[in-house]
This record gives sequence, C-alpha cells and structure tokens, in this order.
Amino acid sequence: AQTVTQSQPEMSVQEAETVTLSCTYDTSESNYYLFWYKQPPSRQMILVIRQEAYKQQNATENRFSVNFQKAAKSFSLKISDSQLGDTAMYFCAFRSSSGYALNFGKGTSLLVTP
Amino acid sequence: EADIYQTPRYLVIGTGKKITLECSQTMGHDKMYWYQQDPGMELHLIHYSYGVNSTEKGDLSSESTVSRIRTEHFPLTLESARPSHTSQYLCASSDSRTLTGELFFGEGSRLTVL
Repeated sequence: AQTVTQSQPEMSVQEAETVTLSCTYDTSESNYYLFWYKQPPSRQMILVIRQEAYKQQNATENRFSVNFQKAAKSFSLKISDSQLGDTAMYFCAFRSSSGYALNFGKGTSLLVTP
Repeated sequence: EADIYQTPRYLVIGTGKKITLECSQTMGHDKMYWYQQDPGMELHLIHYSYGVNSTEKGDLSSESTVSRIRTEHFPLTLESARPSHTSQYLCASSDSRTLTGELFFGEGSRLTVL
C-alpha cells in the first residue's frame, strides 16, 4: 500500500506571509494523482488542489500552489498571502491510477495568526 | 453547500446500542466511502462501494457494516456500540468518470459511546 508522510504536525504563519507544507509519498507506480485537502475546525473537508503525476507543470489555484517533484516523491503545498481563514488541518492524499480510494497523510495543523 | 449529507452530526449513546449513520449524496456519484477519523485526526478507510450492491472493507478493520441499495445512499451500522467506537466518521463520494477522481466529503458524524 502506498504511504503518505506529512512530517510537520503543526505549523504557524503570520497573516499575509507565505508558508509551505511538506508531503512525501511512497509508490512504485508511474501514474497517480495527488491532492491537498483542507479541514477547518468542526467543518467539512474540502479539496484545495490536485495534481496528475504525468503532468510536469505544478498545479496552482489562486493563492495555493504545489511543488511536485516526481523523482523525489515530494508534493509540497505553498500558501501565499496567508489569511486567517486558512487556519485548518491540511491533508495530503494519494490515489493510485488503478484504484479510487485516497490514502491520506496524518495531517498538518496550520495556524494563521494576526 | 454540501451535496453530500450525513446524519446525525453528533450522537452520544450508551454501550450496546445499535446505531446507523446515514450518508446521502445528490451528485450521482457511483463511488462512496466511509473513513474513520481518530482524535489525532488521521483518516482511515473502513468501507467503500463501487456501485449498487457492491461493498468492500477498507484498510482499517471495523466492526461496522455498510449497505448500498441505492446509488445515493450509503449507511453505516454498528450492531452493538462500544466505547472503542468513539470517533468521527466521514462519508465521501467520487465520480469514476472524472480523470482525477477527487473525493467529496460530508460534514462528518461524531460518535461518542459511553
């Protein structure tokens, strides 16, 4: 089974600053899909950004971007111009091209301070 | 604006009771999932369904059972609840027709067994 590792249990960033959350994964497959999800306190888990492994270009969604390093099996999330509403748990997830369920990392708790 | 609904959101019950957590989605997704989220926030897949009358157990062993009689409905049942079942249960769905197959989550059902 593929494993997803998030090595930063907690992080803190000041409003308007930039923060990078780390994620590494282990797989022997060449094609797969990677995701970052956000879970605000007591609220629904929502998709932040997705990346297809066969695409070399890093995905971006407004203030959110990824640094996808396929050879290193690394998939970090950069949040620019952090806002108080970005405070949440962030989960990195992996999906095999041959399956449908996602394997999640343990999450990184991000706190954005004024 | 969730298109996937879970009830109840919160449930406190005594040991030995039978409980059913409801999950319904209005997106016409063929795939549905149940994840258990422990206090450390890690998510574990406990059940999934690839279509009507299809259910499989996930990576984490669970005493719960599921059924998928209708596409939109994927309830989870515990015949005899125990304190070890105390957790948050997240229901999700996905559409196999999409390339990346991202999951859409409900708001979760937080179960406490006394």
